[in-house]
Amino acid sequence: DVKVTQSSRYLVKRTGEKVFLECVQDMDHENMFWYRQDPGLGLRLIYFSYDVKMKEKGDIPEGYSVSREKKERFSLILESASTNQTSMYLCASSLTPGVGEAFFGQGTRLTVV
Amino acid sequence: SQQGEEDPQALSIQEGENATMNCSYKTSINNLQWYRQNSGRGLVHLILIRSNEREKHSGRLRVTLDTSKKSSSLLITASRAADTASYFCATVETSGSRLTFGEGTQLTVNP
Repeated sequence: DVKVTQSSRYLVKRTGEKVFLECVQDMDHENMFWYRQDPGLGLRLIYFSYDVKMKEKGDIPEGYSVSREKKERFSLILESASTNQTSMYLCASSLTPGVGEAFFGQGTRLTVV
Repeated sequence: SQQGEEDPQALSIQEGENATMNCSYKTSINNLQWYRQNSGRGLVHLILIRSNEREKHSGRLRVTLDTSKKSSSLLITASRAADTASYFCATVETSGSRLTFGEGTQLTVNP
């Protein structure tokens, strides 16, 4: 079975901290995605990557950056955490979106205080 | 901006009834997918329909796609309490690898 693992289920950070959210997939998928999910807003795409060291901005990239140094790992970085970044963060991977489904991690609920 | 918009935002039905959820989108797509999310968990893929398909079935699920109206519907027949979850449509645009979700429909199936 495909497994997408997010490093933390729950995380509490202070305003101004640099935060790293890690995501690892074990199926050699080319595409990886980071979303944030907020009540009433659905899933909003932050960044995605279609290859190692390749990335594209999603709909809400401000305040975030990403890193993909290896195919299996896609990191989301909050450069200076703010309270409005308190949210559920979901990582996903897919072989190619045009071909098949995306597999999701269990999510990281981040609280910035 | 959100590519997909689901309708209704919330739906409450009795066990055994059918549930229909609709999704509209804005751009040309390669395919449209439906996902399910149980409370506080990650999303699980349910079904994918390609832009050249009009209808697809999987068990109690039936999905239709109308590319001229840029809309899709998900029908769950003979619903069960265990179907209670949020359902999201997602689109893959023809222009790239972006996978974009809508706001979801919260389905409650009452025993």
